[in-house]
Amino acid sequence: KAGVTQTPRYLIKTRGQQVTLSCSPISGHRSVSWYQQTPGQGLQFLFEYFSETQRNKGNFPGRFSGRQFSNSRSEMNVSTLELGDSALYLCASSLTGRRDYSYEQYFGPGTRLTVT
Amino acid sequence: AQRVTQPEKLLSVFKGAPVELKCNYSYSGSPELFWYVQYSRQRLQLLLRHISRESIKGFTADLNKGETSFHLKKPFAQEEDSAMYYCALPHNQAGTALIFGKGTTLSVSS
Repeated sequence: KAGVTQTPRYLIKTRGQQVTLSCSPISGHRSVSWYQQTPGQGLQFLFEYFSETQRNKGNFPGRFSGRQFSNSRSEMNVSTLELGDSALYLCASSLTGRRDYSYEQYFGPGTRLTVT
Repeated sequence: AQRVTQPEKLLSVFKGAPVELKCNYSYSGSPELFWYVQYSRQRLQLLLRHISRESIKGFTADLNKGETSFHLKKPFAQEEDSAMYYCALPHNQAGTALIFGKGTTLSVSS
């Protein structure tokens, strides 16, 4: 079974631009979560989607948004990029979105975003 | 608010020495705790969860509700244990999103 895939793997953008990152979960998985990873703050939760609905949201400004499609693929968008948005963005999928024994989150390789 | 604290950024030990990676948490409700590991150039992956009470790669972790801790332990460290370790708990009562600690880098040298 293919793992979680994220595209693109690397991005360089200029301050003020916007960016869209894509995540394809493991086949059959319906829950997708997004995280921002930086050396200073570690892993911070952005949002979680299940069945095309945003279930949870972390403490990030409205410039960060996301969506999930009917095939469970997810995208996140960051508008008006700031230098501080430079980070590794990780996507994780889980089977059901319920906290049972299929709770485990499977992580993708991440998209490295650099804002100059 | 839910919070995970890993007080050590770096833990360096010699091969064969015992290892204890500390994790303290605050959580309203019945907590579920996890340890995730990231080896060099690999993806973040689940190491163990408290509910399964398993020993994975020789690591164990016991949930201590009185001390609100979930320390990760291994009696004899191996060089292949060198990695970044994250303690995590659920973001809230619903869903599968997690709150992570800032991580501890474990370095095992011979």
